[in-house]
Amino acid sequence: GAGVSQSPSNKVTEKGKDVELRCDPISGHTALYWYRQSLGQGLEFLIYFQGNSAPDKSGLPSDRFSAERTGGSVSTLTIQRTQQEDSAVYLCASEGGSTALGYTFGSGTRLTVV
Amino acid sequence: AQSVTQPDIHITVSEGASLELRCNYSYGATPYLFWYVQSPGQGLQLLLKYFSGDTLVQGIKGFEAEFKRSQSSFNLRKPSVHWSDAAEYFCAVAPISGGYNKLIFGAGTRLAVHP
Repeated sequence: GAGVSQSPSNKVTEKGKDVELRCDPISGHTALYWYRQSLGQGLEFLIYFQGNSAPDKSGLPSDRFSAERTGGSVSTLTIQRTQQEDSAVYLCASEGGSTALGYTFGSGTRLTVV
Repeated sequence: AQSVTQPDIHITVSEGASLELRCNYSYGATPYLFWYVQSPGQGLQLLLKYFSGDTLVQGIKGFEAEFKRSQSSFNLRKPSVHWSDAAEYFCAVAPISGGYNKLIFGAGTRLAVHP
């Protein structure tokens, strides 16, 4: 597609439930990143996928968080047993050759855990 | 460890006034440098980037930034602010190397514009 698409745009879930957030990157972009933006905070790196290489999971805050990228395209970020501190905007970005080109971000998914 | 500091959390300027948003980084060598803008409810949009050459970089929407190696700074400027510039601005760095590297972001500066 023309841009990075994220769904849903908003998600309200009950504490303890699992959620899945989807990212559809720009076609042909081989690198995909997930960031988390908590209220009043900067962007916190979560995970990135680079082509067929093993993902860099160093930013995942706990083992409740996982992500996969199928077929080198769409990515799903899963949060199990959600907690209130997971409430944030989850941003996905892709880029297609080098970080020097800059990322293209999606509009994000606003997750609220009640 | 790499870090990015944006000292100003909130800035308010009058429409038509000049603007400078500060960014300092900590890194062993000159990294790639970026400024992004985030309007309410939107994702981040790339304003400009620097990785070599002329230290004064022009971006979109009339913004420019100057890289100063001696000060490890990459401040964003605009000579005359418009009301539509009200948004949050993020400075980011990434190490210079081939291929992919995650960006490290500052905490952001929220800009308000008075009419």
